[in-house]
Amino acid sequence: AQRVTQPEKLLSVFKGAPVELKCNYSYSGSPELFWYVQYSRQRLQLLLRHISRESIKGFTADLNKGETSFHLKKPFAQEEDSAMYYCALGGSNFGNEKLTFGTGTRLTIIP
Amino acid sequence: NAGVTQTPKFQVLKTGQSMTLQCAQDMNHEYMSWYRQDPGMGLRLIHYSVGAGITDQGEVPNGYNVSRSTTEDFPLRLLSAAPSQTSVYFCASREGLAGPYNEQFFGPGTRLTVL
Repeated sequence: AQRVTQPEKLLSVFKGAPVELKCNYSYSGSPELFWYVQYSRQRLQLLLRHISRESIKGFTADLNKGETSFHLKKPFAQEEDSAMYYCALGGSNFGNEKLTFGTGTRLTIIP
Repeated sequence: NAGVTQTPKFQVLKTGQSMTLQCAQDMNHEYMSWYRQDPGMGLRLIHYSVGAGITDQGEVPNGYNVSRSTTEDFPLRLLSAAPSQTSVYFCASREGLAGPYNEQFFGPGTRLTVL
């Protein structure tokens, strides 16, 4: 079974401080990890993919297979980062088309 | 492209009533899915489809039916609404069946209240 754990339901950070949203996963095959974000009154949208190793809006996430983690990081938080963040897991196992989401972390940036 | 559209945006039902939540996408995506979003529980997969005529159950399928007669449409039916089905429902679509590059596109959601 595939599982995603986001241990923090709520996270408050001061503007300019570093941000880290934790994500751990459980999967028997080769994992495919994503971060999705939902800003207030907007649709859920893709933030970044582990495969792309990119920085989007200053956020990065590294897949650590040894620790089965995919934490989302940003060195300096901005007010516009306040949103709901979901870690999502897909996989390479044959027939596995499903994308499993974690319970989400609501990030609030304090001015 | 309109992307993924959902109707209605809001709905109030009484216990026992039935209704259909509509979802459509104009991106010719093979994969479509329905999620419910509840506080503290995140997004949970209800049903999904890998193409027209093919559907399968997700994590929380009980009380819901789906069908996929066309590539574009993927309606979700509540057969006999219960208060436990009060939630926000999201439809999503994806071009490919799976893969590390495949982005899932979401609709705006339907907020359903069952009294």
